Formats: sequence, C-alpha cells, structure tokens
Amino acid sequence: SAVISQKPSRDICQRGTSLTIQCQVDSQVTMMFWYRQQPGQSLTLIATANQGSEATYESGFVIDKFPISRPNLTFSTLTVSNMSPEDSSIYLCSVQTGIGGSGYTFGSGTRLTVV
Amino acid sequence: AQSVTQLGSHVSVSEGALVLLRCNYSSSVPPYLFWYVQYPNQGLQLLLKYTSAATLVKGINGFEAEFKKSETSFHLTKPSAHMSDAAEYFCASAGMDSSYKLIFGSGTRLLVRP
Repeated sequence: SAVISQKPSRDICQRGTSLTIQCQVDSQVTMMFWYRQQPGQSLTLIATANQGSEATYESGFVIDKFPISRPNLTFSTLTVSNMSPEDSSIYLCSVQTGIGGSGYTFGSGTRLTVV
Repeated sequence: AQSVTQLGSHVSVSEGALVLLRCNYSSSVPPYLFWYVQYPNQGLQLLLKYTSAATLVKGINGFEAEFKKSETSFHLTKPSAHMSDAAEYFCASAGMDSSYKLIFGSGTRLLVRP
C-alpha cells in the first residue's frame, strides 16, 4: 500500500495567517482526500483532490478558506487561510489505495494550533 | 446521501467482558465498510474492512465485525476486552459511486474498567 509523508507534523500559528500542509505519496494515486479532525471529534471530509481538476469541496468548506493544489499524481497541498482559533485541529490527507473504495491510507496528520 | 451512525459516544466495559460497538450505514447500495481505531495522540489504524466478500470479517487485536445488509449494520465485537483496547473507534463507509469518498461516523470512545 502507499506510504504518505505529511508535513508539517505540527505547528502553532498566529491568527490571521495561513499555513500550507503538504502531502507526498510514494506512488501515483488518482484520488486524494483532505480531512479535518477537531478536538475530541471525528474526521470530517474537507475535499477531494483529483489531479488535473479543481478540488471538490464538501458542504461547509470553501475554496477561499481551504485552497487545495494537486499538481501531479503524488503530491497535494492544503492551505488553511486567515486562521482563527476555531481552525485548531488535526488535518489529515488520505489516498485511495484499493480498487474502488476498498482501501485507504492516511497520513500521520498535521496538528495545528492557532493562537 | 451516504452516512454512518455510531450509537453511543462512550461505551464502558469491564476487562474480560464482551465489547460491542454499533455502526449503521445509510446507502442504497451496500458500501465498503471500515473500522478504525485511534489511540490518544496517535494516528488512525485500520482494524478491519468489509469489501463484499465474507460477511463476517476478522481484524487485528481479536476484533471482528459482521455485515448485515438487512439491518444496514456493521457492528464491531471482541469477546474479551483488554485494558489496551481503550481508545476511540471510528466506523467509516466508502461510497460505491465514482467519488469513493470515505465518510466517518462520530466515533465511540471505549473505556475498559479493571
């Protein structure tokens, strides 16, 4: 299965600034997904990123706040823009590794604290 | 729309007792289903998954789950709880449409009493 390197692993940021999270996969994958896990909560899908097309955002998430790039089949970035303390969460990328929806691999996550 | 419901945000069992964590899915077509475990301050670990083969799926650490289409359920069980099983458990569903989005339930925190 794929191995994901996600950076940074954690960061403390000032409100009003932006942070870009990188997700590098060791093999080519079609679909990449970005999730948010707020403190004590489950994982919520932010968007699906396919190479060569704009990301598809879930309800409640917008491109201006969470711009995503997917320049090739092994890399994606998620930016958290104009951060507020409410953005303090763990952000995870994931890739589909099985046929259809039969398998997924997750990055280790980025723990973001906004002060 | 695809959704996953986990009944019980907290489940408490005694060490050695049966563990039962409930998960129901909502989908017109039986999806792929997963159980993940997350220990404090750690990442997600796949326990087991159902991908339309055997309806009784065995996973790691003695856990198993049974897919029941008639009940739209995929409950997780373990015959005998161990203190090390204390963690957060997430049920997830992958849609059978072309999006293949993995949608998570709200999670169940398992507490194991000595």
